Amino acid sequence: NAGVTQTPKFRVLKTGQSMTLLCAQDMNHEYMYWYRQDPGMGLRLIHYSVGEGTTAKGEVPDGYNVSRLKKQNFLLGLESAAPSQTSVYFCASIQSGAYYNEQFFGPGTRLTVL
Amino acid sequence: AQSVTQLDSHVSVSEGTPVLLRCNYSSSYSPSLFWYVQHPNKGLQLLLKYTSAATLVKGINGFEAEFKKSETSFHLTKPSAHMSDAAEYFCVVSDRGRNAGNMLTFGGGTRLMVKP
Repeated sequence: NAGVTQTPKFRVLKTGQSMTLLCAQDMNHEYMYWYRQDPGMGLRLIHYSVGEGTTAKGEVPDGYNVSRLKKQNFLLGLESAAPSQTSVYFCASIQSGAYYNEQFFGPGTRLTVL
Repeated sequence: AQSVTQLDSHVSVSEGTPVLLRCNYSSSYSPSLFWYVQHPNKGLQLLLKYTSAATLVKGINGFEAEFKKSETSFHLTKPSAHMSDAAEYFCVVSDRGRNAGNMLTFGGGTRLMVKP
């Protein structure tokens, strides 16, 4: 049982390049989330999904797209990377929408955009 | 709307002395509150959570937190710090009535440093 995994762990992009971050969970969780972490700002929600085939915007969605074609995978795409997207990205999942359930986090992807 | 304020961005203690990390929240509904810990270059791990049962919540590694509705606080404490406690700590709120997506709101984090 690997929990939540993320690939890649590190990536360096040039401005304007595109890339996709993959999140996978093996806990059969319904809900999945993408966050970015910047110094002093905690984690901020980019997009989330409440089930296969669904996605919704979070707090900071601009410049990102997501897809949830399979229940266990949640992809985060950057179509044209900008230096402001330099950050650490975390994926999380949760069994259901019950407010008392904790989210399980992946190990993170460190992205640098030059 | 919900929000979380961690009152100290950095806390430094000596090994063996008590730890206090302060958190205040704002929520329109009865919230769930969480403390997560993040060790360097790692993901987030749940320390403890409050979900409207007992107001004093015990977590892993000797940490505990007390939910005080009148003060809108959820401070994290530990009687005796260990070197391995050095990490960043996040206070997090989930608002029961906020939305169907169970979105969380994170505080800005408190970096705990433990001196030998």
